[in-house]
Formats: sequence, structure tokens, C-alpha cells
Amino acid sequence: DTEVTQTPKHLVMGMTNKKSLKCEQHMGHRAMYWYKQKAKKPPELMFVYSYEKLSINESVPSRFSPECPNSSLLNLHLHALQPEDSALYLCASSQDWTGELFFGEGSRLTVL
Amino acid sequence: GESVGLHLPTLSVQEGDNSIINCAYSNSASDYFIWYKQESGKGPQFIIDIRSNMDKRQGQRVTVLLNKTVKHLSLQIAATQPGDSAVYFCAENRGNQGGKLIFGQGTELSVKP
Repeated sequence: DTEVTQTPKHLVMGMTNKKSLKCEQHMGHRAMYWYKQKAKKPPELMFVYSYEKLSINESVPSRFSPECPNSSLLNLHLHALQPEDSALYLCASSQDWTGELFFGEGSRLTVL
Repeated sequence: GESVGLHLPTLSVQEGDNSIINCAYSNSASDYFIWYKQESGKGPQFIIDIRSNMDKRQGQRVTVLLNKTVKHLSLQIAATQPGDSAVYFCAENRGNQGGKLIFGQGTELSVKP
């Protein structure tokens, strides 16, 4: 299994809603990542988890809350988002933090 | 500041021609570089990588060249095909920053039949 699976593929939420994005990998990778990608722009790093511990937070607003329940799962909890947070949210994993990242297909988020 | 930049935002080539996509990076401490291909509606897909102790690496129809002196990276695609049409990103792994993979701005490759 060489896949990173993200759910849901599409999400529409209001500014007062609470929702979560989920990511799963079964490659035994120990590093997992959240990236945000706006249209026609490169992915921007948000968070890095290494061995289930948060190792990098790129000054992301607290309305985004990551969680790594175990080595295979990564969640991104969303609360009180703004319309400008609408984007494609990409999850990735890597064997460790020095190698190739494997990306999921992303969750496209629309905030109304 | 933090930047991995590309010289050209769009590139149009004829099917069968070779394509060259360029990338400049700013952090001389970066030790690992990756080229990704992203098709519309999909996540980035690994193409080829290169470590800083190498100047050149070849894959199937693709070659990556690294010039550390001028902090420049290029991706060469031989015999470009319509299926190569996508956005190509170079990415720089700043190993001294614990796994930060920073993406360049991207080049949109369009292959004309």
C-alpha cells in the first residue's frame, strides 16, 4: 500500500462550523504533514509531525488544530474558519523527515 | 527570505520535443531536492529527486541537474508527451530545519499535439 488517503474529498462549511479533515497512511511512515494550497500556487507547509509529535508549526492560526492519534492517522480540526481559508488541504507522509513525501489527493475546502 | 523560485510560470512545447524546467533556490544549506508533477485536481506526484552530493540524476525520460554554485536546479523531460501536461514544482528539503519541504512557484507545462 503506497497511498495516502484523505477524507472528505470536498467539504463546504460555514464560518461557525466545526469540522475535521482526515488522513491515513499504512506505509509505516513516521513523518506526516499538512499543506495548504490555493489555486495556481505552490503547496504551503502548515504542520509537520514526526513520530506522532508536532515538530513544526508554521505559525498557523489556532482555528486550525492538528492531531496525530497514532502513526497512521493525521487529523486537521477546523473551527471558526474564514472564507480566505478556502483551499485544497494536502496531507503527506514520508519515511522520515529527510526523504520523499507521498501526497494524498487533497481535501477541497470551501468556507462560506 | 524563504523562496524556491522558478524562472518561467508557463512553458509550451510541441509533442516529441524536449522540455526544460528551471528552478532557483535560496538556501545553501538545503541538501535534498525533489521535482513534483501536479495534474489538475490531484495531489503532487513524485518525479525524481537529487541529493546535494550529486550533480545529475536520470530517471525514465527525466533528468535532474543540480548546480550548487549558482543554486540552480533543472528538470529535463525527453520526448515530451501530452500526458506530461501539468504543473511542475521543485521542492527543497531543508534538512537542518527538521524536514521542511518548501515548494517553488511552479511551471505549467502545456504540450501541443
